[in-house]
This record gives sequence, structure tokens and C-alpha cells, in this order.
Amino acid sequence: AQKVTQAQTEISVVEKEDVTLDCVYETRDTTYYLFWYKQPPSGELVFLIRRNSFDEQNEISGRYSWNFQKSTSSFNFTITASQVVDSAVYFCALSEFTSGTYKYIFGTGTRLKVLA
Amino acid sequence: NAGVTQTPKFQVLKTGQSMTLQCAQDMNHEYMSWYRQDPGMGLRLIHYSVGAGITDQGEVPNGYNVSRSTTEDFPLRLLSAAPSQTSVYFCASSRTRDRRGYTFGSGTRLTVV
Repeated sequence: AQKVTQAQTEISVVEKEDVTLDCVYETRDTTYYLFWYKQPPSGELVFLIRRNSFDEQNEISGRYSWNFQKSTSSFNFTITASQVVDSAVYFCALSEFTSGTYKYIFGTGTRLKVLA
Repeated sequence: NAGVTQTPKFQVLKTGQSMTLQCAQDMNHEYMSWYRQDPGMGLRLIHYSVGAGITDQGEVPNGYNVSRSTTEDFPLRLLSAAPSQTSVYFCASSRTRDRRGYTFGSGTRLTVV
């Protein structure tokens, strides 16, 4: 069965520290997509990144970077030099093909608190 | 602005009342879905639709009904509200065979007292 595990419920760091959010997934699909979403205190869900199963290159976008490793079924997210504005709940998600369409499975989220 | 529009943003219901959460998108997306978000549970799929006239159940469908009479609209009906349905509800849409990701609405915070 498909599953996304975010074992870290809550992380607190001091501003400017680096922090890594873990995501482990399970799927029988050979082709799949992984996602990260950010949910700031305002509540909306903000798309951060999409990665397909054939592309294991790490990606960097400013202070954000993602490490995708199929061998360990992990898709971890690192924030470098964290800022207070990074405080949010972060969700990892996996898309699966079921009943002729794609559906998402979400992890339970990691709440990140960045302290000034 | 193009996107997914949810109304209302906040709602308080009494136990046993019924109501409809509205969701509309103007991107001509075939696929629409409803999720609920509860603390520690992530987002759980309630119902989804792959096109007008077609709906199906997700992970937690009990107590909810949906219909899809048009491509644009996908309302979620609570038949007889219960305190266990207190949650934040998100509507999302995408192209049916598009794995590139959802567009989410801004959410509806529902409290059932």
C-alpha cells in the first residue's frame, strides 16, 4: 500500500540554523511523483516542489534543497539558514495512479518553528 | 484570478444541521477533490471526481455527499453535522492525468458544536 511517513511531528530551531525535514514513502508504482507543500500560519497550501521517480538529481532553490533517494525511498527537504518566515507546517505527498486517475497521499506533516 | 475558490471561509454549525461547502475552479480541470485536515492526521481524501457526472469515495467519505453537475463546481454536503466533522476542509483540482500537482483552495474552517 502507498504510504508517506513524516516521522518528525515538530521541530524547533534557532534562526540561521539549517534544518532537514524527513519524508519516507512506500509505493508499488514504478512511476510516481513526490511533492512538498508548505502551510504557513495563514492556512493556505503552497506548492514547493515536484519530483518524478526517474529524476534523482538533487534540487536547490535559494535556501531550499531537496534530496531524493530511491534506494532509501526518501525525499528529504533542507532549509539552509532558516528564517522566522519559514515557520510553517510542511507536508510531503506522493501521487499514485488509482481507478484511472492520480490521487495524492499526504504525510501527517512536520511543524517547523524557527525562533528569532 | 484563476484558481480554486472555496466558500465560506469559516462556519459554525450545530450538531444535526446540514450545509454545503462550495468549491469552484475556472481552470477547466477535470479532476476535483475534497480533503479534510485534522491535527496530526495530515490531509485525508473525502471524495473526488474525475469529471462532470462522475464521483467516487476517498478515504473518509462517511457523513458527506458530493455531486458534480458541471466541470467548474464540486460542492461538499454535510448531511447531519457531527462534532467529529470539525475540521479544515480543502478543495483541490488538477487535470485528470496530470501528475504535476494540485491547485488548492484557501480552505474552510468548520466547527460543529
